[in-house]
Amino acid sequence: GAVVSQHPSRVICKSGTSVKIECRSLDFQATTMFWYRQFPKQSLMLMATSNEGSKATYEQGVEKDKFLINHASLTLSTLTVTSAHPEDSSFYICSARDHKEGAYEQYFGPGTRLTVT
Amino acid sequence: AQSVTQPDIHITVSEGASLELRCNYSYGATPYLFWYVQSPGQGLQLLLKYFSGDTLVQGIKGFEAEFKRSQSSFNLRKPSVHWSDAAEYFCAVGALQAGTALIFGKGTTLSVSS
Repeated sequence: GAVVSQHPSRVICKSGTSVKIECRSLDFQATTMFWYRQFPKQSLMLMATSNEGSKATYEQGVEKDKFLINHASLTLSTLTVTSAHPEDSSFYICSARDHKEGAYEQYFGPGTRLTVT
Repeated sequence: AQSVTQPDIHITVSEGASLELRCNYSYGATPYLFWYVQSPGQGLQLLLKYFSGDTLVQGIKGFEAEFKRSQSSFNLRKPSVHWSDAAEYFCAVGALQAGTALIFGKGTTLSVSS
């Protein structure tokens, strides 16, 4: 089956620094990738939709200057949390859709646990 | 508005007993429905999905779900729960169109008592 990887799986950073999270589709090409955020014991909230070669589309309330998304190739999207603060601590999950016509499913990465101290 | 409702925040079931987790959706397009399970600190695991055809779908770990269009529901069932089924369960809905993200319900926490 299709596999999506995320790196790193866990990261601890100091307040004010930036952190980059990578999301890769390992055995398929993804025109579209999605970034979700999950707070403890809560559901997944869509942050943004990342399209290869174009600007990401952010959900209402998500600061695009704080959460920079780049989708430079059909297999890689990155999320950079800039000037991180403790309230940015969360579980970030990416997902990708196979760009083949008729492919419906989203494949999820294992998530990245960000802790800002 | 598009949404997924999981009415039960927390359910406790005895080991060996049957389970049903409810999911209702509101979606403008033809819905494609999913159930995922998440253990603490882990990512999502797909249990089953419904795109079209037979409205009763079988998934992994002995789970099944039934799509009822008239009730806008996609309830998850298991005839006999195991202690290892204790986890968080999420129902999600999406669309065929590329670029459409899944919308998740708030989740149901399943506890299994011995």
